[in-house]
Amino acid sequence: QQQVKQSPQSLIVQKGGISIINCAYENTAFDYFPWYQQFPGKGPALLIAIRPDVSEKKEGRFTISFNKSAKQFSLHIMDSQPGDSATYFCAASMRAGNTPLVFGKGTRLSVIA
Amino acid sequence: KAGVTQTPRYLIKTRGQQVTLSCSPISGHRSVSWYQQTPGQGLQFLFEYFSETQRNKGNFPGRFSGRQFSNSRSEMNVSTLELGDSALYLCASSPRNLAGGHYEQYFGPGTRLTVT
Repeated sequence: QQQVKQSPQSLIVQKGGISIINCAYENTAFDYFPWYQQFPGKGPALLIAIRPDVSEKKEGRFTISFNKSAKQFSLHIMDSQPGDSATYFCAASMRAGNTPLVFGKGTRLSVIA
Repeated sequence: KAGVTQTPRYLIKTRGQQVTLSCSPISGHRSVSWYQQTPGQGLQFLFEYFSETQRNKGNFPGRFSGRQFSNSRSEMNVSTLELGDSALYLCASSPRNLAGGHYEQYFGPGTRLTVT
């Protein structure tokens, strides 16, 4: 499987700050990039997703930025709250062949007051 | 709609035994995917079933198998369990159809399998 590299592995952010998580991919055929949020004891939940025909997508406090030429995409959480403390996963897939999602290794975010 | 349900939630087995995990997808969803989640390897795709047929398979040994029933419920089986099979097994359902395209996946809470 093609890799999706995610960084950082863990992140501590002050309440009200901006959390930034980055992902890089190798396969230029990837054309769907979702982000998932996982709380302890729960399954991952889809947070927001982007396709490469746009460079940015915003939903509330969550924004995905996409750089096709650099093969990178990132998640920005504005005004981070303690309730955002969770593990975040980026993923990628391609339409051709209905391929499954390839996940990054995850980022554990802690938002402290 | 009710979410994805997985049973059992926790399971303890001994090396060499086999185990069957169950997943009920969201009503109307015909695609069910299974993932293994471990601290070291993260989320790894096992297989996907659609309309009772395996459509995709990840890079796991043949000890890992699955099936899907006509009501879209799915089971996965792991035979001859090894210590390294200890993991959270996640099931995800999707509204995708055979026409393809991208589709949202909705995960269940997982089954925590511990092999001793």
